Amino acid sequence: DAGVTQSPTHLIKTRGQHVTLRCSPISGHKSVSWYQQVLGQGPQFIFQYYEKEERGRGNFPDRFSARQFPNYSSELNVNALLLGDSALYLCASSLALARNTEAFFGQGTRLTVV
Amino acid sequence: GQQLNQSPQSMFIQEGEDVSMNCTSSSIFNTWLWYKQDPGEGPVLLIALYKAGELTSNGRLTAQFGITRKDSFLNISASIPSDVGIYFCAGPNDYKLSFGAGTTVTVRA
Repeated sequence: DAGVTQSPTHLIKTRGQHVTLRCSPISGHKSVSWYQQVLGQGPQFIFQYYEKEERGRGNFPDRFSARQFPNYSSELNVNALLLGDSALYLCASSLALARNTEAFFGQGTRLTVV
Repeated sequence: GQQLNQSPQSMFIQEGEDVSMNCTSSSIFNTWLWYKQDPGEGPVLLIALYKAGELTSNGRLTAQFGITRKDSFLNISASIPSDVGIYFCAGPNDYKLSFGAGTTVTVRA
């Protein structure tokens, strides 16, 4: 069974550019969340989507946006990139929205902004 | 927001040794999750704990859900080189997971 898949695995962008990251959840999982992980820290929550609706948003600027498609895959978009956006972006999928549901992560997209 | 504190921040251990790490929170959690992350990879779920006082094992890993619901412990027995990595505790809060900063484990062969 395929796990959570993310693309691309690595990306280099210039300040001011736009980026789109993609995630396919585990088959049967309806919830997708996005996390940002900078070096030396734990992942920080950005968004959660369930059944194509945004269910939660972390403390990130409006330059960050996301959406979930009918097949439950998801995109994370970041506009007007800053050097500080360089990080590992992780997608997590879970079966449902319940609080105690375990989340399974993809391998991440390493974004470098120069 | 939720703050999880992990200790120690890092550790060097001898192959074959047992190691313990813990995670404390300023707030109560109803679930504790332990993840391991290898360099360049996403976190992999090791153990999930759902009940205060619960002790759960996964191979050489054993984790406990503290009875106060504000802490959790992870033990690794008989360390091997592939135990190298960063171990994170996480607690679900509504729609998100809050993570600690991680414990970095390095094994000396």
